[in-house]
This record gives sequence, C-alpha cells and structure tokens, in this order.
Amino acid sequence: AQSVAQPEDQVNVAEGNPLTVKCTYSVSGNPYLFWYVQYPNRGLQFLLKYITGDNLVKGSYGFEAEFNKSQTSFHLKKPSALVSDSALYFCAVRAAGGYNKLIFGAGTRLAVHP
Amino acid sequence: GAVVSQHPSRVICKSGTSVKIECRSLDFQATTMFWYRQFPKQSLMLMATSNEGSKATYEQGVEKDKFLINHASLTLSTLTVTSAHPEDSSFYICSAPPGTGRYNEQFFGPGTRLTVL
Repeated sequence: AQSVAQPEDQVNVAEGNPLTVKCTYSVSGNPYLFWYVQYPNRGLQFLLKYITGDNLVKGSYGFEAEFNKSQTSFHLKKPSALVSDSALYFCAVRAAGGYNKLIFGAGTRLAVHP
Repeated sequence: GAVVSQHPSRVICKSGTSVKIECRSLDFQATTMFWYRQFPKQSLMLMATSNEGSKATYEQGVEKDKFLINHASLTLSTLTVTSAHPEDSSFYICSAPPGTGRYNEQFFGPGTRLTVL
C-alpha cells in the first residue's frame, strides 16, 4: 500500500536559520511527490513536485526539496526561514491508478520564531 | 497558477438541513475534482472523486447518500451534505488538476467551514 509519513508534528526554527521538514514515502513503482502548504483556514497551496530528473527540486517562496530514492525521502528545505513561513506543510504522493488521486501525510506544523 | 474557488466560505446550519458547497475551476476545465474533509489539526481525508458527466467515486467509509456529489460541467462540482448533523461539522476542501496529465499538481479551493448546530 502507498503511504506518506511526516515524522514530526511540529518543527521550530529561528528566523534566518535553515529549515527542514521531513517526509518519507512508500510506493510501488515510480514516485510522484508533492509538497503543499496550508495557512490557517485556507486551502492548500502547491509548493513543488518531483516527477523525474534532478533530485533537487526548486519551488515557490524559496523552498526546495531533495528526492532521495535510496532513503525513500523527499525532505522540504529552505536556507533561511521567515516568520511568514509559519504554516502547516503537507507531503503527498500520487496514488497508483488513474484520476491523479493524492495520498497526504499527516502534516507538519512549522513555527518560525523571530 | 490555476484558480479553484469554493462557495460559501463558511456556513452555519441547523441539524437536519442540507447544505450545498460549490467548487469551481475558474480558468481551466476539470474533468476530475476531489473532495476532502479536514478535522482540526489533522490531515486531509479524501472523501470522493468527482467525475464530469458520471457518478462520483467514494472512498471507503464515506456514505454516498450522505454526501451527494454532482459534477455537471467541466468547471463545477457540488457537494451536498444531506440531513447534516453536528458530527458533519468540518472543513471541506475541493481540488482539481488542470488537464488530464498524470504529473499535474492539484489546485485547491480555499475551503468551506461547515458548522452544524
């Protein structure tokens, strides 16, 4: 069965420091991986995706993610965190079969402190 | 990026009434839309896949007679919560991938907060 794990409920980072939000996955076949961010009482916003090619994927708002096939990970990173980055982050994998259905991780709350 | 809207953004209703939530793709056509439910501080739970011109596909454990889905056009899907009860109170979010490409990311609506009294 396909699944996504986000092992940290919350990540705390000081503004200006690098941040990492962890994600590991389990899929059959090639993984199609996504990161989304959710601000309070809002829908999800797309950050970036990995389909194929370069393992380092660059996305919106200065975020990037590194695909590691051997570790089945797709960690989200940013070199210098901003207070405005504080939000709920979801990792997702495209489910096998049709319809572009996504399987989401439990989410990680990022808190960036001034 | 593509824009998905939802209406209403929040609704409060009495127990036993039905509530309709609309999901629209504003600048693209969506043959498929997805409906999610999100509880406080929790992840999104996929409820159903809405297919234009055909019946929706419901996830296991989701009552199809309770949550009616209609996808009558390429830009509009509706979710009707029938005979709503307090346990149906939640944040409902729809999404759609633009086009049919298997690599397309989904674009999400802003969500609808349903409160059943």
